[in-house]
Amino acid sequence: QVQLVESGGGVVQPGRSLRLSCAASGFIFRSYGMHWVRQAPGKGLEWVAVISYDGSNTYYGDSVKGRFTISRDNSRNTLFLQMNSLRAEDTAVYYCAKDHSSGPEVLDNWFDPWGQGTLVTVSS
Amino acid sequence: DIQMTQSPSSVTASVGDRVTITCRASQGLSGWLGWYQQKPGKAPKLLIYVTSSLQRGVPSRFSGSGSGTDFTLTISSLQPEDVATYYCQQAKSFPLTFGGGTKVEIK
Repeated sequence: QVQLVESGGGVVQPGRSLRLSCAASGFIFRSYGMHWVRQAPGKGLEWVAVISYDGSNTYYGDSVKGRFTISRDNSRNTLFLQMNSLRAEDTAVYYCAKDHSSGPEVLDNWFDPWGQGTLVTVSS
Repeated sequence: DIQMTQSPSSVTASVGDRVTITCRASQGLSGWLGWYQQKPGKAPKLLIYVTSSLQRGVPSRFSGSGSGTDFTLTISSLQPEDVATYYCQQAKSFPLTFGGGTKVEIK
């Protein structure tokens, strides 16, 4: 079955950087778009970024544009999120999610399934 | 950006009750509206996509409807395992956006 396992979270000071990883298994990773979605403690869901199946297209949420970079390594079935210039408001659980698309190489922008999440805390 | 507004923010109902959650978009979505269920301490789960398509494995008591800017998630007969927060999400355009969530509890 599809499995997504995030890692790389932790406590980081404001202004510093952190890179999250998401190891994927149980599906043909190179054929599907992938997303990052975050959830601040006690708050709702916020979409962060998406990358197409081959990495040629990326899109970002307004609050992270210019600071975060989504990438993927299809040879290692791994998704990444490079987070720079971190702020207190970036504190959240970060989930990776597979695009639930109508077919390979199609981006439909539904999230299914999700990983278990990794907590990022930005604090001095 | 497309703004998503959910109502109510919380609902308390009895087992077997019909529960309805609404979601309004700031512009037309051409049906690109989905619903997620998040149980406490867990990752969200896709319930419905493209307004009314039920994700595989989701019980048939869940259904979605709507068009244009107004959409509805209905639980036809509330069960104890449906206690969760429900979110709508638009997939019409970037940035993708969610509603604020509706917390469903049992009376």
